Amino acid sequence: EVQLVESGGGLVQPGGSLRLSCAASGFTFSTYNMNWVRQAPGKGLEWISYISNSGSTIYYADSVKGRFTISRDNAKNSLYLQMNSLRAEDTAVYYCARVRAGYSYGYADYWGQGTLVTVSS
Amino acid sequence: QSVLTQPPSVSGAPGQRVTISCTGSSSNIGAGYDVHWYQQLPGTAPKLLIYGNNNRPSGVPDRFSGSKSGTSASLAISGLQAEDEADYYCQSYDSSLSGWVFGGGTKLTVL
Repeated sequence: EVQLVESGGGLVQPGGSLRLSCAASGFTFSTYNMNWVRQAPGKGLEWISYISNSGSTIYYADSVKGRFTISRDNAKNSLYLQMNSLRAEDTAVYYCARVRAGYSYGYADYWGQGTLVTVSS
Repeated sequence: QSVLTQPPSVSGAPGQRVTISCTGSSSNIGAGYDVHWYQQLPGTAPKLLIYGNNNRPSGVPDRFSGSKSGTSASLAISGLQAEDEADYYCQSYDSSLSGWVFGGGTKLTVL
């Protein structure tokens, strides 16, 4: 059974940092591209970052570029999101999502349960 | 402001059919990129509903169907059931943003 379990969320002050993790199991992690998607309270979904299966290709949404860093450790079946210079508008539930390739640039066939990040003083 | 535009809400009585539209532009849906749909039940993570415009993952009832034409796509739900009450999101790829884009979401209310 495919499982994605996020962790690392919490309360952080504006300007602070946080590192999210996503532990993957039930599939060969190293063969899948991965995304981070977030959802602000009461709002819609927002894609924020993509990493290819090898880690060689990375993309970011403009809203987080220069502040967030996506990475992965295929030996540990884990995906990460390092978030720096956090702002109030970064408050959201952060989901990791497995990317199923094909059909243009793919879609998310499995999602984690999400981890809440709250940026507030 | 989402790149893809969806109606904020739709509603229908049990057994009826509803459609949810998703309108994009020439850099996403209009450029030929595929559209995918997700269902998000209250308090849960999104779940894949339709992929590649009109394909259902195993386990998704055939009451759910998708279509795409030009710069728009649609999700149709027939034989509405109370359990269909959820938020629905469309997703595609945008070449000018080099990433996925989502619609703002549509809340379906079963009357």
